[in-house]
Amino acid sequence: NAGVTQTPKFQVLKTGQSMTLQCAQDMNHNSMYWYRQDPGMGLRLIYYSASEGTTDKGEVPNGYNVSRLNKREFSLRLESAAPSQTSVYFCASSEAFDRGDYGYTFGSGTRLTVV
Amino acid sequence: AQSVAQPEDQVNVAEGNPLTVKCTYSVSGNPYLFWYVQYPNRGLQFLLKYITGDNLVKGSYGFEAEFNKSQTSFHLKKPSALVSDSALYFCAVRDDNYGQNFVFGPGTRLSVLP
Repeated sequence: NAGVTQTPKFQVLKTGQSMTLQCAQDMNHNSMYWYRQDPGMGLRLIYYSASEGTTDKGEVPNGYNVSRLNKREFSLRLESAAPSQTSVYFCASSEAFDRGDYGYTFGSGTRLTVV
Repeated sequence: AQSVAQPEDQVNVAEGNPLTVKCTYSVSGNPYLFWYVQYPNRGLQFLLKYITGDNLVKGSYGFEAEFNKSQTSFHLKKPSALVSDSALYFCAVRDDNYGQNFVFGPGTRLSVLP
């Protein structure tokens, strides 16, 4: 039971570099999400995909892009990394966006440092 | 707008004592309320949820939470704390109106001292 798999687990980037964080789920969930976690601020939603073929901005989308490649995969791209993007990034999935009674399943996170 | 507050950054409790981690929320409609736990270097794990029905909800690892509509609270409780309960706890809320995402609180770090 893999659940939600994120790669890589750790990454160090130089300012201005780009990278893509990968996320895949094997639970046949319709909805997927990208969050960032910063100390004292909880989880903030970057982007989400309510269903395959759709993506929407969350609370903090600036500096990021996403791709819902298929039902299983949802990637997050940093085009030009900045130190302010140093954070822990979590991918999550849920069975259906319009079913708030379903919770989320989270990946184990990607710890990103931008120097 | 939805919001959730966890008024305590840190809660310390002795092993064997009862513990409470507080959560208050604000939604315009009816709330869906969740508690998640995060162990070091891990993702968030589901503990319990309130959707409707009985105000006292029981979840994993002996945790329970009480929904109080008048006080807009959903405090997490456990009768007897274990050292292994030490972790970061997040409360999350979502309005039952369609089109809303969950909002997470800032987290409360629980330390259970032996």
